[in-house]
Amino acid sequence: DSGVTQTPKHLITATGQRVTLRCSPRSGDLSVYWYQQSLDQGLQFLIQYYNGEERAKGNILERFSAQQFPDLHSELNLSSLELGDSALYFCASSAGGGGTDTQYFGPGTRLTVL
Amino acid sequence: GQNIDQPTEMTATEGAIVQINCTYQTSGFNGLFWYQQHAGEAPTFLSYNVLDGLEEKGRFSSFLSRSKGYSYLLLKELQMKDSASYLCAVRDGDYKLSFGAGTTVTVRA
Repeated sequence: DSGVTQTPKHLITATGQRVTLRCSPRSGDLSVYWYQQSLDQGLQFLIQYYNGEERAKGNILERFSAQQFPDLHSELNLSSLELGDSALYFCASSAGGGGTDTQYFGPGTRLTVL
Repeated sequence: GQNIDQPTEMTATEGAIVQINCTYQTSGFNGLFWYQQHAGEAPTFLSYNVLDGLEEKGRFSSFLSRSKGYSYLLLKELQMKDSASYLCAVRDGDYKLSFGAGTTVTVRA
């Protein structure tokens, strides 16, 4: 158990819908990262927040957005869902904003878009 | 963008040794990580290298050569539970972490 929690564990929805994924980092960690993992693309970095502020951006679509709240939990919002958005979405956390920090991953949310 | 290459699959026998190679080309370098991922589960941290040389941690060792853009993960005394995907990840100059596609290791009895 990494100490990172994610809800829900599974999510099934339809194309065009909007969903919100939630992540709570390990106690004391200030950074939260979001990743998408699909069968054909591997693990793709989406976005990082550090202490409430966006720190780094990866291959995140405009239909996706995220935020980190004052209590440091984070939410990833996915809108206008398409079939291709079906994937495992992982959240990871680390103590600081970069440098030598190791990222610890949550159990993931499996999103299925029908 | 980043370019990280590792073999797709490897098979080895229980008790043997397997070496998983990773080559990378990134804009800047701030460390290389190895993660283990069992199917449908989260990646778990195995090792971190930022300086050249070998880091040993129990049955797992990781090596880095920054000048060659090369790393390997060595798994010794293989056990059945080591069957998993092993992900090489590199942190670039902007501190973004990019992952390779992963190497699926199958351990046979």
